[in-house]
Amino acid sequence: AQSVAQPEDQVNVAEGNPLTVKCTYSVSGNPYLFWYVQYPNRGLQFLLKYITGDNLVKGSYGFEAEFNKSQTSFHLKKPSALVSDSALYFCAVRGNGPGSQGNLIFGKGTKLSVKP
Amino acid sequence: DGGITQSPKYLFRKEGQNVTLSCEQNLNHDAMYWYRQDPGQGLRLIYYSQIVNDFQKGDIAEGYSVSREKKESFPLTVTSAQKNPTAFYLCASSPIDRAEETQYFGPGTRLLVL
Repeated sequence: AQSVAQPEDQVNVAEGNPLTVKCTYSVSGNPYLFWYVQYPNRGLQFLLKYITGDNLVKGSYGFEAEFNKSQTSFHLKKPSALVSDSALYFCAVRGNGPGSQGNLIFGKGTKLSVKP
Repeated sequence: DGGITQSPKYLFRKEGQNVTLSCEQNLNHDAMYWYRQDPGQGLRLIYYSQIVNDFQKGDIAEGYSVSREKKESFPLTVTSAQKNPTAFYLCASSPIDRAEETQYFGPGTRLLVL
């Protein structure tokens, strides 16, 4: 079964410090991994994705994520957090194996809180 | 939220009533999706459409119906059979329905039961 785990419901970081939001996954076939951000009462905004190639993926707003195949992880990182980064972050995965049509699987989300 | 619009922003449903949520995109995307978001549960796929005049059930299709008569439109009807409809509903689209394609989301509709 395909699944995504975001082990932390909330991450608290001081402004200027590095941040990490964790994600692990399980899929059939090759994994295609995505990070989205959601501000209150808004839709999801795409941040970045891993398809193939370089394990370090750079995305919008200074975010990056590292794909680790052996640990089946795709953690989101940013070197220096901003108060405006405070939001809900979703990891999502889709495999290219059988039964994956239409099926982007989302984690439950991690609330990031950046304090001044 | 790009070229995807959802209306209304808030919708109130009375018991036994069917309601329809609108989703329109001007991105010329073939694939469209409906998700339901509940607090602490992430997003769950309700229905998706890979092309006009075709759609497939997702993980939680019971109590919902859709149509795809035009490429740019994918309305979702929440029927009276859906006993717990209160949620945030998100529409998304992608160029085609492939694993590597990014899905882009609309601003959402919040459905509340009176």
